[in-house]
Amino acid sequence: AQKVTQAQTEISVVEKEDVTLDCVYETRDTTYYLFWYKQPPSGELVFLIRRNSFDEQNEISGRYSWNFQKSTSSFNFTITASQVVDSAVYFCALINNAGNMLTFGGGTRLMVKP
Amino acid sequence: GAGVSQSPSNKVTEKGKDVELRCDPISGHTALYWYRQSLGQGLEFLIYFQGNSAPDKSGLPSDRFSAERTGGSVSTLTIQRTQQEDSAVYLCASSQDILAGYGYTFGSGTRLTVV
Repeated sequence: AQKVTQAQTEISVVEKEDVTLDCVYETRDTTYYLFWYKQPPSGELVFLIRRNSFDEQNEISGRYSWNFQKSTSSFNFTITASQVVDSAVYFCALINNAGNMLTFGGGTRLMVKP
Repeated sequence: GAGVSQSPSNKVTEKGKDVELRCDPISGHTALYWYRQSLGQGLEFLIYFQGNSAPDKSGLPSDRFSAERTGGSVSTLTIQRTQQEDSAVYLCASSQDILAGYGYTFGSGTRLTVV
């Protein structure tokens, strides 16, 4: 069975602060994929990143960065110099190579205040 | 179309009535998924279609829920005898090939309110 845990249900920061969203996963498979999605107030889920289990290299995209550590089964997401437009619910998700659906974490609601 | 299209965007129905929610996936995407998101909650898997294979219905919460996918494209999620606990946002997603680890593309959802 697969499980994704996002322990932080809600985070509030002030604009320009850095913030890290935690994601811990469980799977018995050696081949799997991890994802992050953003759900702004409009409701549509927006794909942010996909990472396969064999690629532990951290990734940076503008103000976003992801830290994948298999040793701790974590795939954390950091936003640097947060902005009000970053306010959204962020979901971490997992699928194994033979799976047919994404398993989502419960989401973290990020509120960035001006 | 360019994205996943869902209709209606909002639906208010009386308890006990049947509703149909529609999803038009991205052209060429073989996999289609329905998820449910209750207020302030995460995403709950409902059903999955892959090509012409039998759908994975393991997430449907009761026999009042059913879904079909015609011609490998448009899908309809039907909820019979709606209850207040069915109120949620119903999200549809499609994927080119989930076994290759592609992510899903989600629609904007249908917000269902049962009064």
